[in-house]
Amino acid sequence: EVQLVESGGGLVQPGRSLRLSCAASGFTFDDYAMHWVRQAPGKGLEWVSGISWNSGSIGYADSVKGRFTISRDNAKNSLYLQMNSLRAEDTALYYCAKDSTRYDILTGLTTWGQGTLVTVSS
Amino acid sequence: QSALTQPASVSGSPGQSITISCTGTSSDVGSYNLVSWYQQHPGKAPKLMIYEGSKRPSGVSNRFSGSKSGNTASLTISGLQAEDEADYYCCSYAGSSSVFGGGTKLTVL
Repeated sequence: EVQLVESGGGLVQPGRSLRLSCAASGFTFDDYAMHWVRQAPGKGLEWVSGISWNSGSIGYADSVKGRFTISRDNAKNSLYLQMNSLRAEDTALYYCAKDSTRYDILTGLTTWGQGTLVTVSS
Repeated sequence: QSALTQPASVSGSPGQSITISCTGTSSDVGSYNLVSWYQQHPGKAPKLMIYEGSKRPSGVSNRFSGSKSGNTASLTISGLQAEDEADYYCCSYAGSSSVFGGGTKLTVL
């Protein structure tokens, strides 16, 4: 069974950092691009970042560029999101999602995790 | 990276067909055949319904179809069923980034 499990969310003060992880199983992880998508409480989906199969191509939403860093470890079947300088508006449920191709052009997100909640508040 | 424009809500009766539009620009929807559509029920993770504009993943009903004309993509659901009631989001590649629409709440009357 293809599965994605996020972890690392929690309550954090503005300006602090947090690192999210996504453990993948049930498929050949290094054959696919991966993405982070977030959803603020009661709001819509927002694409955050994507990374190609070999980390050779990476993209970020303008809202997180310069503050967030996406990475992956294919040997550990894991995806990460390092979030620095967190703001209240970063409060959201963060989903890890698998693309349908190797390239971070978001062809279609075929599998989603259940998300990990990040709350930025003092 | 402005969000794609979707109607906030649409509704239809069981058995009817509805269409949800998704309007972008020549930098995203108009430039790439990389529009995908997602269905999200309350409290659940999104589910891929259409990818690359008009392709259906295995297991998705053929009542769901996608199309594009210029800068606007569309999702059509035919033969509406009660379980189709959900939020629907479009998404497009925009060259080094991607962007979602604001979402459309589908109500089955």
